[in-house]
Amino acid sequence: GAVVSQHPSRVICKSGTSVKIECRSLDFQATTMFWYRQFPKQSLMLMATSNEGSKATYEQGVEKDKFLINHASLTLSTLTVASAHPEDSSFYICSARLGAGKGNTIYFGEGSWLTVV
Amino acid sequence: QKEVEQNSGPLSVPEGAIASLNCTYSDRGSQSFFWYRQYSGKSPELIMFIYSNGDKEDGRFTAQLNKASQYVSLLIRDSQPSDSATYLCAVTDTGGFKTIFGAGTRLFVKA
Repeated sequence: GAVVSQHPSRVICKSGTSVKIECRSLDFQATTMFWYRQFPKQSLMLMATSNEGSKATYEQGVEKDKFLINHASLTLSTLTVASAHPEDSSFYICSARLGAGKGNTIYFGEGSWLTVV
Repeated sequence: QKEVEQNSGPLSVPEGAIASLNCTYSDRGSQSFFWYRQYSGKSPELIMFIYSNGDKEDGRFTAQLNKASQYVSLLIRDSQPSDSATYLCAVTDTGGFKTIFGAGTRLFVKA
């Protein structure tokens, strides 16, 4: 299957600082990438849909000024958690869509554990 | 609101048994259906996809799709303790632009 790489896998930052997480599609071009967050023992929560070359589409309740998404190329999307606070600590997962229409398949990155202290 | 429903479980089966995981969806026009496995603390990984009514087999896994009933299932034969995980059902909406995930079913395979 297609490979999606996410970095860093774990990050600890101080409250008030910003953290950037990268998501790369290694062997395919992804016009659309997705960002999720997941709290322990809870389901995936879609945060935003990122389209290459355009502004991300955020889900209701997700602060676009806090979770900054950039999708500058067909293989890279970044999520920046601005002025992070302890309540932002979570497992952040990106995914990329391979194909379009009926044949589209979503592949996930390895995820990034963010701990804000 | 387009939905994908799964029983949260946990579903507990003995080693060697068949585990049956079920999923229903509300968007009648959906055309693509996926099963992902997520181990605790890890991200989801794709197990299978299915587009047509009927069964699709891959090793110990069989996906079953019934579009008339808006129902998709995953059977795991000869279940192993290593199959213990949360299984996510995902369905692409009519336009093919949005993939909606169910909340997942936790499977526990007892040794």
